[in-house]
Amino acid sequence: AQSVSQHNHHVILSEAASLELGCNYSYGGTVNLFWYVQYPGQHLQLLLKYFSGDPLVKGIKGFEAEFIKSKFSFNLRKPSVQWSDTAEYFCAVNAFSGNTPLVFGKGTRLSVIA
Amino acid sequence: NAGVTQTPKFRVLKTGQSMTLLCAQDMNHEYMYWYRQDPGMGLRLIHYSVGEGTTAKGEVPDGYNVSRLKKQNFLLGLESAAPSQTSVYFCASSYYEGTYEQYFGPGTRLTVT
Repeated sequence: AQSVSQHNHHVILSEAASLELGCNYSYGGTVNLFWYVQYPGQHLQLLLKYFSGDPLVKGIKGFEAEFIKSKFSFNLRKPSVQWSDTAEYFCAVNAFSGNTPLVFGKGTRLSVIA
Repeated sequence: NAGVTQTPKFRVLKTGQSMTLLCAQDMNHEYMYWYRQDPGMGLRLIHYSVGEGTTAKGEVPDGYNVSRLKKQNFLLGLESAAPSQTSVYFCASSYYEGTYEQYFGPGTRLTVT
């Protein structure tokens, strides 16, 4: 069975600091990988996804993520965070082929302070 | 184009009461899902559907039932609510599995006293 680990439960950063949120998954086969964001009081929205090709994926709002197959990782990065990036971030994975639902990590809460 | 909508937005139930949560999508998506979100637990899949008339169990299906009589609607039922079912419930839909993005509804906050 697939599982997703997000190492940081709560990250606090000052504006303009760089961000890296860790995500590791366990699954032996080829996977699709996603990062979703949930702003306070809102529903989840897709930030970016990876399913093949260039392992460095760029998403909305300046976010990017790098898939490192050998490390089973898909870490999310942003060079300079803004107060508006305060949100909860979820990593998710499913098998590349076949009808398997997404498995979500427990989420990382990001608080950006001025 | 409303996307994914959920009814109701908030609800308070007493233990033992029943209720149905309605999810509707207007994107002609095949797949629909029900999740619950609890602090520190992330999103956990309750049930999902791969098409009209089909349903399948997710990670935490006990105490819930679902029905997908029409392609655009996915109902989540609680037959006898328990305090452990206090949570925020999200519905989502997607064209198919795999690389397709899931679109989420705004959520229903349910409290069971």
